[in-house]
Amino acid sequence: GAGVSQSPRYKVAKRGRDVALRCDSISGHVTLYWYRQTLGQGSEVLTYSQSDAQRDKSGRPSGRFSAERPERSVSTLKIQRTEQGDSAVYLCASRDPGPNYGYTFGSGTRLTVV
Amino acid sequence: DAKTTQPTSMDCAEGRAANLPCNHSTISGNEYVYWYRQIHSQGPQYIIHGLKNNETNEMASLIITEDRKSSTLILPHATLRDTAVYYCIVRPYRGSNYKLTFGKGTLLTVNP
Repeated sequence: GAGVSQSPRYKVAKRGRDVALRCDSISGHVTLYWYRQTLGQGSEVLTYSQSDAQRDKSGRPSGRFSAERPERSVSTLKIQRTEQGDSAVYLCASRDPGPNYGYTFGSGTRLTVV
Repeated sequence: DAKTTQPTSMDCAEGRAANLPCNHSTISGNEYVYWYRQIHSQGPQYIIHGLKNNETNEMASLIITEDRKSSTLILPHATLRDTAVYYCIVRPYRGSNYKLTFGKGTLLTVNP
């Protein structure tokens, strides 16, 4: 497709459960980023993955967050043992490898941990 | 990353020009100024970027001071749909995995 799509749009999870959020990016975009956005703290990069790399390149906070690329244009953000502080909007962004190095963002998944 | 400073909020009348300032006094020579905006319930959207020359596209104009320590994003004829949070970001143009770092941005409210 022409844009980045994320699913689900909304997710409610019980504390302690694992969740998986999906991002379908733009064909040809190699690098995908996952951001977490909260009202009080703005946006922070959680992790990113390149090309066919199966594992993410960074984790923040370490251990519970990971990103995988089951397909070239698909990324899955996995959050293990969710905590209430994980409630936020999770944004996926893919980077254009062309000369503008532009980023295209999805509309996000709003995660609520109860 | 060079740090940016933006006003928390601004108001603008519909049809008038919206001028959004950004200070980036610690910007280094290889860093570009990028502007993104985020409309409620959507992801950030690219607007424009520049190095030292003024830039214009179909969405906006970017004016960068000669010393590059500040810039202004101009929406020439603001509409209600331009109400959003506007982020000013500085980052190297190249850098294979360089991430965008968003601050708090400026909430622009366009009033009828």
